[in-house]
Amino acid sequence: DSGVTQTPKHLITATGQRVTLRCSPRSGDLSVYWYQQSLDQGLQFLIQYYNGEERAKGNILERFSAQQFPDLHSELNLSSLELGDSALYFCASSPRGTGGNSPLHFGNGTRLTVT
Amino acid sequence: GENVEQHPSTLSVQEGDSAVIKCTYSDSASNYFPWYKQELGKRPQLIIDIRSNVGEKKDQRIAVTLNKTAKHFSLHITETQPEDSAVYFCAASERVRGGSSNTGKLIFGQGTTLQVKP
Repeated sequence: DSGVTQTPKHLITATGQRVTLRCSPRSGDLSVYWYQQSLDQGLQFLIQYYNGEERAKGNILERFSAQQFPDLHSELNLSSLELGDSALYFCASSPRGTGGNSPLHFGNGTRLTVT
Repeated sequence: GENVEQHPSTLSVQEGDSAVIKCTYSDSASNYFPWYKQELGKRPQLIIDIRSNVGEKKDQRIAVTLNKTAKHFSLHITETQPEDSAVYFCAASERVRGGSSNTGKLIFGQGTTLQVKP
């Protein structure tokens, strides 16, 4: 168990809908990262938060947004969903936002299926 | 920004043989290189990592080598077993632009599907 908790495990929804994915980082970790993994694809970085502030942005669509709350949990909001948004969404955490050479610890992911 | 290329995309070996996966990175300032193993439908799990002040690191049957001059690093698995079958991802740290620290973000290679045949 990595200590990173993601809910829900599975989501099935229709095109055009909006969903929220939730992540609780490991105890003591201040940084949260969101990655998208489509079928047979690599891990595409979406966004990073550090201690409540956005730290880095990757190839995140404008339909997607995220935030990190004071208790350090994070939510990824996906709206106007399209079939191509179907993927595994991973959250990862690390102790610091910069300066560290720490591995990322991944949650078990949320599998999103858009029908 | 940083870019990581990983080869091969698929690798099939006989049980007991060795497997080697190679990655190259573009940013010479990258200084942290972890390797992750992902079994089907599961989360990526760290198996070994190396920092830029070290050329090689071993952990039982797994070793990683780093060539900073050539900007490439490799994963070596010896005496492969069927349970080693998985997708392996290399990654490199990203430097803050114009800075002396890392962003914390990891840039991943595209992954190598390793199949170990019994």
